[in-house]
Amino acid sequence: DVKVTQSSRYLVKRTGEKVFLECVQDMDHENMFWYRQDPGLGLRLIYFSYDVKMKEKGDIPEGYSVSREKKERFSLILESASTNQTSMYLCASSAGPKLSYEQYFGPGTRLTVT
Amino acid sequence: EDQVTQSPEALRLQEGESSSLNCSYTVSGLRGLFWYRQDPGKGPEFLFTLYSAGEEKEKERLKATLTKKESFLHITAPKPEDSATYLCAVQRSNDYKLSFGAGTTVTVRA
Repeated sequence: DVKVTQSSRYLVKRTGEKVFLECVQDMDHENMFWYRQDPGLGLRLIYFSYDVKMKEKGDIPEGYSVSREKKERFSLILESASTNQTSMYLCASSAGPKLSYEQYFGPGTRLTVT
Repeated sequence: EDQVTQSPEALRLQEGESSSLNCSYTVSGLRGLFWYRQDPGKGPEFLFTLYSAGEEKEKERLKATLTKKESFLHITAPKPEDSATYLCAVQRSNDYKLSFGAGTTVTVRA
């Protein structure tokens, strides 16, 4: 079974703090993704990575950065957390272009910024 | 821009009452259409991928179908454990990204 894990299920941070969300997958997948999910807005892609040290902006990258130093690990960084970044954050991974493209999701991190 | 519209937003069913969820899409060069199930407070769980019009896939009480403009997820004789939000997503050819619909929340009462 594909397993995607996220470092925290729940996180509470203060405005202005730097926040790190970590994601690890154990299936040797090339691609990894960070989404946020908000009621009424659905899942929106923040950033994705198709290889180690490679990254591309998704639909809503402002206020976020990412890091992928190892194939299995993809980190999302909130440089200076703001209240409008309170959300559910979901990490996903998928195999490369020669294999299936299904994305497998982690359990999510519910982040509250106060 | 890709567009994915799911209807209805919410569906309440009695146990055993079959129904269908709709996913209408607009995408330039569809590579695949994906269905996911999401339970409250959890990440989406992959169900199906459909690649071409006319294709059908089944899993237990769920059956997904695809046409050139929409996909249906049929739930046959649902049980309370089928209660969840069902998400539809599309992927363009030569792209890694998925575009998601807002989902349909299904509640099945015993």
